[in-house]
Amino acid sequence: DGGITQSPKYLFRKEGQNVTLSCEQNLNHDAMYWYRQDPGQGLRLIYYSQIVNDFQKGDIAEGYSVSREKKESFPLTVTSAQKNPTAFYLCASSTPPAEAFFGQGTRLTVV
Amino acid sequence: DQQVKQNSPSLSVQEGRISILNCDYTNSMFDYFLWYKKYPAEGPTFLISISSIKDKNEDGRFTVFLNKSAKHLSLHIVPSQPGDSAVYFCAARASGGYQKVTFGTGTKLQVIP
Repeated sequence: DGGITQSPKYLFRKEGQNVTLSCEQNLNHDAMYWYRQDPGQGLRLIYYSQIVNDFQKGDIAEGYSVSREKKESFPLTVTSAQKNPTAFYLCASSTPPAEAFFGQGTRLTVV
Repeated sequence: DQQVKQNSPSLSVQEGRISILNCDYTNSMFDYFLWYKKYPAEGPTFLISISSIKDKNEDGRFTVFLNKSAKHLSLHIVPSQPGDSAVYFCAARASGGYQKVTFGTGTKLQVIP
């Protein structure tokens, strides 16, 4: 089945630790995205990548980093510099201008 | 600056009746609009879209209306079903190569059996 796989579904992190969220797609989409969802704030764009080895900051990139070494993979690292990392993280992919398809999300909790 | 606004955080509708979800935008460069549906702890799924060259797009029970002069769009669900209960996000995009999609804050729809 074609789709986007995010792992893990739930993730707990201690304060001061970096953590990496996985996102893999087998849809052969060129573009991939990371969004963050907080209650009452909709989806906010963290980073996006249009092609391999290239990515751009979104609206809230501070405290996050990404890589795009392969077309199908776009991991997101939440660093210790992110002040409020507890949130629901969503990965998506598309071949613009078509609509984006989303993964099932990863809920990150800082303990 | 919230460029896409969904001013109703929640909406309750009886099963079988019409659900109308509203969305306003401020950026006049937006020319493509999308609606996504989201269940708790899941990713959003694409529902329906509309280009600015149209004022209506219909797909089964779902119809999206666009009023460019008012910078307003709405999603109509007729008839509403309990399975439609979810959070609905309005989103918008400008044209010209890659353009990021800007999402609204969502409206939680509850369809009461």
